Amino acid sequence: KNEVEQSPQNLTAQEGEFITINCSYSVGISALHWLQQHPGGGIVSLFMLSSGKKKHGRLIATINIQEKHSSLHITASHPRDSAVYICAVRSWWFYFGTGTSLTVIP
Amino acid sequence: KAGVTQTPRYLIKTRGQQVTLSCSPISGHRSVSWYQQTPGQGLQFLFEYFSETQRNKGNFPGRFSGRQFSNSRSEMNVSTLELGDSALYLCASSLGTGSREQYFGPGTRLTVT
Repeated sequence: KNEVEQSPQNLTAQEGEFITINCSYSVGISALHWLQQHPGGGIVSLFMLSSGKKKHGRLIATINIQEKHSSLHITASHPRDSAVYICAVRSWWFYFGTGTSLTVIP
Repeated sequence: KAGVTQTPRYLIKTRGQQVTLSCSPISGHRSVSWYQQTPGQGLQFLFEYFSETQRNKGNFPGRFSGRQFSNSRSEMNVSTLELGDSALYLCASSLGTGSREQYFGPGTRLTVT
C-alpha cells in the first residue's frame, strides 16, 4: 500500500493547455511538497503547503487537508514544463508519490 | 549562496565493495536528508540528520549508514554493495527538521556491477 498516490502517471499536452496533476495521501502530515525533476536527475521544490493554495507564476498548488488531497495546476503549459512532477508528504519523514511524467508538445 | 553539492557525481562499484557518498548543505542549513531513487521504487527516504544526530531512518537494511559532521556536511555509506543498490542517491538540506523547504543536490549516480 502506497502512502502517496499520484495521477495520472503520464500526461501529454499541447502547448497552452491547462494541466492538473492529483495527489492523495493516507498518512497524517505536517506539510505537502510538490517537486519537479528534469532529465538528468536534478530536483527542484516548487511548493510547500500545509493548507489552502499557493501560486507561483503559471503554477498553482492546492491542498484539502480534510480530504487528504492536493492538486498541482499548470496554466498555459509550455514545452519547458516537460518534467516529472512528484508529490511528497512530510509525516515522520518524507513519503513520495511515483511521479507524473509530463510532456508538453509545441 | 552556493547550492547543495554532492560528490562524486558518478560512481561505478563492484558487488561486495563499499561506498561513501558526500553531501555539503547550503551554508547555514543544519538538516540533511538522504534519498534513494530507482526506476522501480521511485524516491525513498533513507535518513535525516540534524546537528550531528540521526533524527529518522527509513526502511533500509543496516548496510546503509550515515553521519553528519559539526559543519553540517554529511556522508552516507553503503557496505557490501548489491546490484539492487544501483540508484541515484540524492541529499537535501534545510534550515531545520519538520515542515521546512528542502533544497536538493544534483545526486550521485551509483552503478553496481
